[in-house]
Amino acid sequence: AQSVTQPDIHITVSEGASLELRCNYSYGATPYLFWYVQSPGQGLQLLLKYFSGDTLVQGIKGFEAEFKRSQSSFNLRKPSVHWSDAAEYFCAVGAWNYGQNFVFGPGTRLSVLP
Amino acid sequence: DTEVTQTPKHLVMGMTNKKSLKCEQHMGHRAMYWYKQKAKKPPELMFVYSYEKLSINESVPSRFSPECPNSSLLNLHLHALQPEDSALYLCASSLAPTDTQYFGPGTRLTVL
Repeated sequence: AQSVTQPDIHITVSEGASLELRCNYSYGATPYLFWYVQSPGQGLQLLLKYFSGDTLVQGIKGFEAEFKRSQSSFNLRKPSVHWSDAAEYFCAVGAWNYGQNFVFGPGTRLSVLP
Repeated sequence: DTEVTQTPKHLVMGMTNKKSLKCEQHMGHRAMYWYKQKAKKPPELMFVYSYEKLSINESVPSRFSPECPNSSLLNLHLHALQPEDSALYLCASSLAPTDTQYFGPGTRLTVL
């Protein structure tokens, strides 16, 4: 089965600091990759997606992610974190080539210090 | 507009009650999904409707019954639930079954 790992369960950064959230996937074909953000008690909001083409993808709220096939990674970055970025972040792969649906990673909780 | 709406926002029900969750989208999407999410966990897929037909049922107990009356609406009928069914229920939709999913805000369900 296809899988997604997010090695960091919880990350704390200071406001204004840079951020990188890690995502690794196991997928045999060209992956369709997504990052979603979820504030407490809310639904998931799409930050960005990668289907093909340029491996550096820009998203909403100043986030970007880079697809690295050689490392099976799709890490999310932001140059300067705002207090409102505190939330749960999920990486996902669209495993449709394998008869599956979305496969979500376990999530990374981001805390932001003032 | 990428809005998926869900009603109600919160629902408290007893184990003998029958209730329904509702999900709506007007983006012309032809695939709709129900997910269950427990605290501090990723969403777990329950059902997928593709072109108004049930295409995936992830071995969900029969006390959960999905319905797709038309391409814009998705319901989840609940009956004889257990306390462990308490969770956030998320609806999502996508243009096609193999496409980006857009999520609603969820219904917080508590079963007493």
